[in-house]
Amino acid sequence: EDQVTQSPEALRLQEGESSSLNCSYTVSGLRGLFWYRQDPGKGPEFLFTLYSAGEEKEKERLKATLTKKESFLHITAPKPEDSATYLCAVQARSGGSYIPTFGRGTSLIVHP
Amino acid sequence: DTGVSQDPRHKITKRGQNVTFRCDPISEHNRLYWYRQTLGQGPEFLTYFQNEAQLEKSRLLSDRFSAERPKGSFSTLEIQRTEQGDSAMYLCASSSPSWTGAGANVLTFGAGSRLTVL
Repeated sequence: EDQVTQSPEALRLQEGESSSLNCSYTVSGLRGLFWYRQDPGKGPEFLFTLYSAGEEKEKERLKATLTKKESFLHITAPKPEDSATYLCAVQARSGGSYIPTFGRGTSLIVHP
Repeated sequence: DTGVSQDPRHKITKRGQNVTFRCDPISEHNRLYWYRQTLGQGPEFLTYFQNEAQLEKSRLLSDRFSAERPKGSFSTLEIQRTEQGDSAMYLCASSSPSWTGAGANVLTFGAGSRLTVL
């Protein structure tokens, strides 16, 4: 069974204090690892897709990387508006379908 | 296109009542997913449609839950004889069958329907 574990569960940073979020996974036949951002009371919003080990994607202060067993979301010089829950999801083939499986998320709070 | 729409946004019901949620996906998306999310947890998969066909259903899904997607457009999720444990945010997402780069099965979520069972 596919499993996704995110750590830490919660992270508090001061504005400008860089850090990383971790997503470790066990899945047969990975067909994509996704990062989403979720603000309170809203649905998740897509950030990145990674497909193969060594791949990296960047967007503003965020950078996602992928190895064969885990992915990191690096946040450089975060701002208070980066406060949100960050969700990792992995996708593998289930029968004839591709169903993303989500982790529990990391709740990030950035203090000014 | 206004994205994925869900209705109602909030529903409070008494235990034992039936509730129905509606999801209108992005028009050109043929894939539609329902997830359930409780506080402090990630979205948990419930069921998946490709066009009008329900192709996957979570083994954990009670038979009190049923979903439809007539004509491959909007979808409904019905919960019969609600229980307090059904209280959660019900999220709908849609995607298009693109396998090129960042477009591959990226889910676009609605804002969710929050259910409170008293």
